[in-house]
Amino acid sequence: QKEVEQDPGPLSVPEGAIVSLNCTYSNSAFQYFMWYRQYSRKGPELLMYTYSSGNKEDGRFTAQVDKSSKYISLFIRDSQPSDSATYLCAFPTSGTYKYIFGTGTRLKVLA
Amino acid sequence: DAGVIQSPRHEVTEMGQEVTLRCKPISGHNSLFWYRQTMMRGLELLIYFNNNVPIDDSGMPEDRFSAKMPNASFSTLKIQPSEPRDSAVYFCASSSLTSGSTDTQYFGPGTRLTVL
Repeated sequence: QKEVEQDPGPLSVPEGAIVSLNCTYSNSAFQYFMWYRQYSRKGPELLMYTYSSGNKEDGRFTAQVDKSSKYISLFIRDSQPSDSATYLCAFPTSGTYKYIFGTGTRLKVLA
Repeated sequence: DAGVIQSPRHEVTEMGQEVTLRCKPISGHNSLFWYRQTMMRGLELLIYFNNNVPIDDSGMPEDRFSAKMPNASFSTLKIQPSEPRDSAVYFCASSSLTSGSTDTQYFGPGTRLTVL
């Protein structure tokens, strides 16, 4: 079993739709949970960062963590064409420099 | 701040040639990372420097790959000789990591390498 699983997509949705992006992980020691957004031909940029279970909201974005199920989600409300990108989940290994990245889900929001 | 700077942005070379990728981390950051991204394997950590010292090079694929960080504001990743399977996007990232902590990594725009 891979340490992190992420559906590669592509996921195509109409503008205004609610998008749900997900990752599962197997390492119960993970304490930090991140979502990076990567536009085409660009480097990944940090979108959301959470430390605990539950929800964290930032504008149209909500990060959700369920540690008991080892499952994290990123919800995008009122999706826009500018949200079209690849979204990578990332798990910093506690107390170290190592990140475990998902392979990324490619999202396309159609105008 | 200008962010992490990488050059060149694109590199096309022939098999057997030497390739040098360059990175300037964010000023004040003490940690630097080189990653490789491919469709098949996603983002892979190649090497990690802390305070200009290589700490973990376990991700470097083979002896053809080498990396240096002569000072806090510059790093290079060299491939010699290059092979077609080295074709990928290479990212440099930096952070202000302190011992025992976790900090956000900031990525550069990447160098897209094609080896013919």
